[in-house]
Amino acid sequence: AQSVTQPDIHITVSEGASLELRCNYSYGATPYLFWYVQSPGQGLQLLLKYFSGDTLVQGIKGFEAEFKRSQSSFNLRKPSVHWSDAAEYFCAVEEQAGTALIFGKGTTLSVSS
Amino acid sequence: NAGVTQTPKFQVLKTGQSMTLQCAQDMNHEYMSWYRQDPGMGLRLIHYSVGAGITDQGEVPNGYNVSRSTTEDFPLRLLSAAPSQTSVYFCASSYLGQGLGETQYFGPGTRLLVL
Repeated sequence: AQSVTQPDIHITVSEGASLELRCNYSYGATPYLFWYVQSPGQGLQLLLKYFSGDTLVQGIKGFEAEFKRSQSSFNLRKPSVHWSDAAEYFCAVEEQAGTALIFGKGTTLSVSS
Repeated sequence: NAGVTQTPKFQVLKTGQSMTLQCAQDMNHEYMSWYRQDPGMGLRLIHYSVGAGITDQGEVPNGYNVSRSTTEDFPLRLLSAAPSQTSVYFCASSYLGQGLGETQYFGPGTRLLVL
């Protein structure tokens, strides 16, 4: 069965520093890949998604992610973190169009001043 | 568009009680789903539907029922609430697309406490 692993439960980054959140998936073919963000007490907001084509995907709020087939990874990056980026981040895969999302367990990002 | 709406926002139940969590969307999305979110577990799929009259089970369906009589609505029913069902419940919807995965839009969530 397909699965998503986010190895880091909690990460703390200084404001202005760069950020990379890791995501690995287990699936035979190339799945559809997503990153969502959840602020405390809120629902989930889509940051970016990858279906095919260019392996570097740009999203909202200055985030980007790179799909690496050889490593089965889809890591999320941001060059300079802002205090407002503190939230929980979820990586998700969709096996095929119109099916359920499989979520990782999430990474909580704290931003220190 | 209101997007995906969920009611109630918060509910307290006693063990054994039943209730229905409401979910509605006004985007004419074919696909709707219910997830539960528990600390350290991420989101897990309960049930989903690819259109009116069609539902299927997800990863954690036990103790929950769903139906899809209209495109807009996808209620989740707890038949006999248990403390293990204390969670935050999210409803999501999307188009089915044409060979491409579509963005799923999430509701604001319902916090359920079962005593």
